[in-house]
Amino acid sequence: GAGVSQSPSNKVTEKGKDVELRCDPISGHTALYWYRQSLGQGLEFLIYFQGNSAPDKSGLPSDRFSAERTGGSVSTLTIQRTQQEDSAVYLCASSPYGTGYGYTFGSGTRLTVV
Amino acid sequence: DQQVKQNSPSLSVQEGRISILNCDYTNSMFDYFLWYKKYPAEGPTFLISISSIKDKNEDGRFTVFLNKSAKHLSLHIVPSQPGDSAVYFCAASEGTSYGKLTFGQGTILTVHP
Repeated sequence: GAGVSQSPSNKVTEKGKDVELRCDPISGHTALYWYRQSLGQGLEFLIYFQGNSAPDKSGLPSDRFSAERTGGSVSTLTIQRTQQEDSAVYLCASSPYGTGYGYTFGSGTRLTVV
Repeated sequence: DQQVKQNSPSLSVQEGRISILNCDYTNSMFDYFLWYKKYPAEGPTFLISISSIKDKNEDGRFTVFLNKSAKHLSLHIVPSQPGDSAVYFCAASEGTSYGKLTFGQGTILTVHP
């Protein structure tokens, strides 16, 4: 597609359940990033994938969070045993270069944990 | 530890006037700075950037100024238009960080007709 696609756009889940968020990057973009934006906060880096290199997971807030990128394309962010503080907008971005410019963000998944 | 700060949560400006959005950073290793604009229910979109070797970059109505000694950058929008109303995020990266960005909290700009 022409842009970065994220699904679902909205997700409401009960505390303690697992959720999966999906990101389809722009075709050919080798770099893929996950960020989240909590209410009133800036975007917080979560994880970065670049080609076949080991991902940079330094931003994942706890071991309940994990992400994978299959075939260098689609990525899934999984949150296990969700907590209320996980409520946020989760944004995916892709870039052809792995540099600070050239990011294209998706519209995000709004996650609400009740 | 908030390495990039936007201390003004909101800014209100009259159409046609100048909008000035400010951003401060603490990490002296940052060498590339960007501004993103975000409308509700959409992802942020890239607006303008500046490398640390420059002190000014201009693109149409948008100009970004960088003061490295003060660790401060600003975005000027002249003239402001109602369509500029959005949340503006300042972001910074280090050369070796593979494009990982550190964002500020955002400033809500409202341009009144």
